[in-house]
Amino acid sequence: EVQLVESGGGLVQPGGSLRLSCAASGFTFTNYNMTWVRQAPGKGLEWVSYSSGRSSTIYYADSVKGRFTVSRDNAKNSLYLQMNSLRAEDTAVYYCARGSLFFDYWGQGTLVTVSS
Amino acid sequence: QSVLTQPPSVSAAPGQKVTISCSGSSSNIGNNSVSWYQQLPGTAPKLLIYDSNKRPSGIPDRFSGSKSGTSATLGITGLQTGDEADYYCGTWDTSLSTVLFGGGTKLTVL
Repeated sequence: EVQLVESGGGLVQPGGSLRLSCAASGFTFTNYNMTWVRQAPGKGLEWVSYSSGRSSTIYYADSVKGRFTVSRDNAKNSLYLQMNSLRAEDTAVYYCARGSLFFDYWGQGTLVTVSS
Repeated sequence: QSVLTQPPSVSAAPGQKVTISCSGSSSNIGNNSVSWYQQLPGTAPKLLIYDSNKRPSGIPDRFSGSKSGTSATLGITGLQTGDEADYYCGTWDTSLSTVLFGGGTKLTVL
């Protein structure tokens, strides 16, 4: 059974940093591109970042470019999102999802709240 | 304001059919496949349609997808109260090099 489990969310002050993790199981992690998608409270879905299976191709949304860094450790079946210089508008539930152009499995999400 | 335009809400009676539209441009829907997601309250999104008209295993054939030009449509027949959810379209934008999602459509089954 495919499972994606996010962790690392929490309350952080503006300008602070947070590192999200996504633990994958039930499939050959290296063979799949992975994506971070976020959803602000009461709002729609926003694509954040994408990493190809071997991290050779990485994309970011303009809204996070230069502040967020996606990485993965295929030996640990894990995807990460390092978030720096956080802003109030980064407050959202962050989901990791399997895929690049469409997303067939999603984690349950982890809430990031940026507030003083 | 999303680049992909969906109606904010649609409604229909149980057993009826509803369609949800997703309008884009040549840089996104016009030249790329579309996916559709269902998000029940308090849960993660779930893939309903990929490659514009394909259903993943386990998705009933009450759900269908189509694409024409720069627009896509999700159809749901035999509506059930359990279909009440937010529905999102998604596609790649070649000019922006990003995945785009529509603003979402709230389906109410009256």
